[in-house]
Amino acid sequence: DTEVTQTPKHLVMGMTNKKSLKCEQHMGHRAMYWYKQKAKKPPELMFVYSYEKLSINESVPSRFSPECPNSSLLNLHLHALQPEDSALYLCASSQEVLAGGTQETQYFGPGTRLLVL
Amino acid sequence: EDQVTQSPEALRLQEGESSSLNCSYTVSGLRGLFWYRQDPGKGPEFLFTLYSAGEEKEKERLKATLTKKESFLHITAPKPEDSATYLCAVQAGNYGQNFVFGPGTRLSVLP
Repeated sequence: DTEVTQTPKHLVMGMTNKKSLKCEQHMGHRAMYWYKQKAKKPPELMFVYSYEKLSINESVPSRFSPECPNSSLLNLHLHALQPEDSALYLCASSQEVLAGGTQETQYFGPGTRLLVL
Repeated sequence: EDQVTQSPEALRLQEGESSSLNCSYTVSGLRGLFWYRQDPGKGPEFLFTLYSAGEEKEKERLKATLTKKESFLHITAPKPEDSATYLCAVQAGNYGQNFVFGPGTRLSVLP
């Protein structure tokens, strides 16, 4: 089973709202990722968690706050977003990210379509 | 800086008309090259991982190959259901810390 689930599927929020995106995997993967994808563009990496610790933050604005409560769950907390933050937010997981080693294949969830008004 | 390009940007094929998609990369220390298929509004679906030049992998009508500078995704006798955007991505860097997607090729297969 290579399933990554994400909730909600769709989200509409105002610029003053606080909301959270959730991601879950039960494959025993130890690395989890958040990506942002605009229409007709490839996914852009936002954050990487390895063994529940934030290992990569690709200079993402502080209005996006990731959280990894345990090895199966990944959240993305949203606050004071801008209309340009509207996009498809993808979660992915892989076996692990090894220092100096080979990264395993990333498996993606279906995404959350976010619209900021 | 690690870079990945894909060509063509868009491709229209008739059903049964075989073709190839290209992924060219310039990276420091390739750790792996990945092919994904993505349908509109959905997450990328994993297809193949290639690790070394000369490696080939097949799945149904798809075959991926890898050289030192590029990868090809060959589609044999495509069907309309093969219509999607095909993304390649590379993992690179001394510690494999860089994961970069190419811009994708939008494939349309007409019946």
